[in-house]
Amino acid sequence: SQQGEEDPQALSIQEGENATMNCSYKTSINNLQWYRQNSGRGLVHLILIRSNEREKHSGRLRVTLDTSKKSSSLLITASRAADTASYFCATDSGGYQKVTFGTGTKLQVIP
Amino acid sequence: GAGVSQSPSNKVTEKGKDVELRCDPISGHTALYWYRQSLGQGLEFLIYFQGNSAPDKSGLPSDRFSAERTGGSVSTLTIQRTQQEDSAVYLCASSFPRESPLHFGNGTRLTVT
Repeated sequence: SQQGEEDPQALSIQEGENATMNCSYKTSINNLQWYRQNSGRGLVHLILIRSNEREKHSGRLRVTLDTSKKSSSLLITASRAADTASYFCATDSGGYQKVTFGTGTKLQVIP
Repeated sequence: GAGVSQSPSNKVTEKGKDVELRCDPISGHTALYWYRQSLGQGLEFLIYFQGNSAPDKSGLPSDRFSAERTGGSVSTLTIQRTQQEDSAVYLCASSFPRESPLHFGNGTRLTVT
């Protein structure tokens, strides 16, 4: 079963624009992570935000977390064609280290 | 090796045959995960290992699916009597310690004909 759902399912923007994607989840979490996937194979970790954190930055990435709304957002600023990929949120919940993924947002950055 | 290694990278099998998928995690990573991804879809959780034990097997789709991990290292996912709906990319990931990122292999693309 999917713990998280990303919104939108697909997003197309021009190079240089900002891209925002959202993730909603169902149960309380220990942390939330964002991953990128190119060409349908292995995922690459982008950023992790803990349940007691509200915002985190890494380079052109900004992640926010609102535990009261059970939602998170990923902002990619000044997008590049190389950012074209699918982006997934993942939540670590429960007493042990079970990590489940959302449905993903497919981002296309047009040069 | 430096990363998570999965083999084979591609597997084509006939319906009804058994297949074994292998995952070699990063040395020292105690947590190991198996996920399944159908074309254009999200990642479906299958099973999670902490050391050699599997606290959560709830994602295994049916009793045709089983997994084991030996020596706290290599894991094997076995699918018996494969069906066409088993066709997907099977991804393995490992991590350590708690609240650290998952490191993914490149997956095994399984096609059941």
